[in-house]
Amino acid sequence: GAGVSQSPRYKVAKRGQDVALRCDPISGHVSLFWYQQALGQGPEFLTYFQNEAQLDKSGLPSDRFFAERPEGSVSTLKIQRTQQEDSAVYLCASSLATDPSYNEQFFGPGTRLTVL
Amino acid sequence: KNQVEQSPQSLIILEGKNCTLQCNYTVSPFSNLRWYKQDTGRGPVSLTIMTFSENTKSNGRYTATLDADTKQSSLHITASQLSDSASYICVVSAYAGNNRKLIWGLGTSLAVNP
Repeated sequence: GAGVSQSPRYKVAKRGQDVALRCDPISGHVSLFWYQQALGQGPEFLTYFQNEAQLDKSGLPSDRFFAERPEGSVSTLKIQRTQQEDSAVYLCASSLATDPSYNEQFFGPGTRLTVL
Repeated sequence: KNQVEQSPQSLIILEGKNCTLQCNYTVSPFSNLRWYKQDTGRGPVSLTIMTFSENTKSNGRYTATLDADTKQSSLHITASQLSDSASYICVVSAYAGNNRKLIWGLGTSLAVNP
């Protein structure tokens, strides 16, 4: 496709359930980011990949959060034993360059996760 | 501490009017500043990106300014349209060793009413 896609668009999980969120970046984009956006807030950085290497995971809030990008393309954000405070929109972004802080990031539509 | 503060938090204007959104930052060392527009239920879309040496940059009816001395930026929207209703987020990039980090503001929620 032409843009970044994410699936599912909406996910409702019971507290304690594991979830997996998928991101398909723009083809050929080297850099991939995951963000968490609470209602009415700006996106907060979670983790960053350059190809298959996870170069920065300093934003992951706990060891229940895990992200991977095994082949340097599609990425999955996994949340284990979900808690109510995990409810948010999870945004994925990709960038063509290896210096994504300068070059434009293209965002997907996000996955809205609701934990009951 | 690197911070980005935006004002106002929310704004309501009538269609056709102009408005200006503010962004103050305490980010050092500064790399670049960008403005994003985020429609409800969508991901952010880049409007402008400016480096230290750039004072102003336009994208259609959007004009961003940057004063690196006072660490302030503004986003001016001319002749607003209903489709301008969105959240506008200021993001500052800072050097951090060999990498750069993006510091996100909380955004200004703009509502354009007919």
